[in-house]
Amino acid sequence: DQQVKQNSPSLSVQEGRISILNCDYTNSMFDYFLWYKKYPAEGPTFLISISSIKDKNEDGRFTVFLNKSAKHLSLHIVPSQPGDSAVYFCAASDHFGNEKLTFGTGTRLTIIP
Amino acid sequence: NAGVTQTPKFQVLKTGQSMTLQCAQDMNHEYMSWYRQDPGMGLRLIHYSVGAGITDQGEVPNGYNVSRSTTEDFPLRLLSAAPSQTSVYFCATKKNRGNTEAFFGQGTRLTVV
Repeated sequence: DQQVKQNSPSLSVQEGRISILNCDYTNSMFDYFLWYKKYPAEGPTFLISISSIKDKNEDGRFTVFLNKSAKHLSLHIVPSQPGDSAVYFCAASDHFGNEKLTFGTGTRLTIIP
Repeated sequence: NAGVTQTPKFQVLKTGQSMTLQCAQDMNHEYMSWYRQDPGMGLRLIHYSVGAGITDQGEVPNGYNVSRSTTEDFPLRLLSAAPSQTSVYFCATKKNRGNTEAFFGQGTRLTVV
């Protein structure tokens, strides 16, 4: 049972435009969400996180939105740059710092120059 | 500053063989964990450790053993390799349990034939 779902395996966006990556979850106990970015042959890199007490968190070009009622979160990248081309993983935990992170299957983002 | 170092990067094993995947960190982080990544599955937690001498099971612990005798090292042992253990393995560290940012190694690609 996939508790964290990233339904789009891939996404292509033109350079300079907005990239929106989506993530849905089914476990209502999840209260902390993270996004990781992964380049080929490298380990995932932490990008941004959000607690369930917030509905938005922003860090430079990256913003994560959380809609608890819909059990949905999204990552916005504005403006998209070629270096953003990577696989993005959504992850969730059921309390702050709980190591049993549940990951989605990832979305491959390609930025077109 | 090497961060998180995994060895080897690639390994081919025959069914039934045993081996140890090494993970070493030089960041003095308390928390270390092992994940496996399989196509269409995201990353799944195998085992984790909140400090030297303390380990616990994650989501998919069967077939793997771990120990944590020092802060720096967290080896993952496959006692009798099976084709189902063919995967990419990632070691990750966090400063402590309450900290959300995890640092991943570059991964070990293991094939069991």
